[in-house]
Amino acid sequence: DQQVKQNSPSLSVQEGRISILNCDYTNSMFDYFLWYKKYPAEGPTFLISISSIKDKNEDGRFTVFLNKSAKHLSLHIVPSQPVDSAVYFCEESENNNDMRFGAGTRLTVKP
Amino acid sequence: NAGVMQNPRHLVRRRGQEARLRCSPMKGHSHVYWYRQLPEEGLKFMVYLQKENIIDESGMPKERFSAEFPKEGPSILRIQQVVRGDSAAYFCASSPGTPGSGANVLTFGAGSRLTVL
Repeated sequence: DQQVKQNSPSLSVQEGRISILNCDYTNSMFDYFLWYKKYPAEGPTFLISISSIKDKNEDGRFTVFLNKSAKHLSLHIVPSQPVDSAVYFCEESENNNDMRFGAGTRLTVKP
Repeated sequence: NAGVMQNPRHLVRRRGQEARLRCSPMKGHSHVYWYRQLPEEGLKFMVYLQKENIIDESGMPKERFSAEFPKEGPSILRIQQVVRGDSAAYFCASSPGTPGSGANVLTFGAGSRLTVL
């Protein structure tokens, strides 16, 4: 399923710095965009979402940006902490159904 | 308040056997989704069910795979005559349904890892 792409399979950052995870999509009908975080041997857990009518949503250290003209979604984590080391999936949905996930980006935050 | 419960966590089958994976949704959730994660790949949608109904099975292979969500009991993903390529982690997620507003957030189980020898 190539409707949702996370082109960077991995990312490594130093503790305290900013982590930026990216996601591109093709379906202009997507109306909700979500980020999930997954630790090994666990299921993904919801992190943050944004609707298509907004361009930014912030929750503590996590901020999601949506650029609809570029069909691009990004997640910023600042400051990054070692506990943030996990795989991050972006997910997009149309009419809150038909949820599609990206392939994931493995973030490693080094102490 | 238990979350989404999946069992078994690990299942080993020989080629040609059947695999049954169970998922009990979160209390109050009536919508169940199954996803498959192959090694080094993302989450691939398989099927979306509500009680006694399959809503969307566009991600399910046409043969050997089936899913159900009966009126009573857990949702079951059934794989008949398993092959090595079926080895993967299978995740179940549930939600209360399409919200009137806001995102439809999924709650995932810990997954069932199937290994086919």
